[in-house]
Amino acid sequence: DAKTTQPNSMESNEEEPVHLPCNHSTISGTDYIHWYRQLPSQGPEYVIHGLTSNVNNRMASLAIAEDRKSSTLILHRATLRDAAVYYCILSVGTGRRALTFGSGTRLQVQP
Amino acid sequence: DAGVTQSPTHLIKTRGQQVTLRCSPKSGHDTVSWYQQALGQGPQFIFQYYEEEERQRGNFPDRFSGHQFPNYSSELNVNALLLGDSALYLCASSFFGVATADTQYFGPGTRLTVL
Repeated sequence: DAKTTQPNSMESNEEEPVHLPCNHSTISGTDYIHWYRQLPSQGPEYVIHGLTSNVNNRMASLAIAEDRKSSTLILHRATLRDAAVYYCILSVGTGRRALTFGSGTRLQVQP
Repeated sequence: DAGVTQSPTHLIKTRGQQVTLRCSPKSGHDTVSWYQQALGQGPQFIFQYYEEEERQRGNFPDRFSGHQFPNYSSELNVNALLLGDSALYLCASSFFGVATADTQYFGPGTRLTVL
């Protein structure tokens, strides 16, 4: 399976932007980049996904490098509710795909 | 619109017993995937059901089995429970389409404790 590399943990201050990096140097042309987050005692929550172009939604932005070997999840103004484990995942192959979770980045948000 | 629901919320079993966990997918979704999440780790893929058949399977023994019903709901069965089966079991539903890229929506999970 294509692998992603993320920092184990990051800290941010409330109301400041947060940039969560992810390396995926073995990505292939048909692999989508997904981001999920998991708040304490909850199931993972979909955040955003992309293929080649940068993407924006109400929760976050996804910036994808031109060579697609890395990406960055951007939370524009962190809140205390954004404290969670963030997973960067490649969905490999075509059709219905399983998600392979790594250990993710634990984001702490300080008031 | 209800999201993915799972039952029960918590379950305690003893070694050697069997357990059945249930999942109802999000409205409009036809694919259900199951994941196991041990404490402090990321979720691990168990298997995926579509059109009432197991379509993909992760690295789990055949003590783990499942079923999908015509209404797309699903069950996960685990036989001969081991202490190591203690985990949060997550169900995720999805609908395949180019725009969705198989985005999966997760339920809150069932916490299984094996004593």
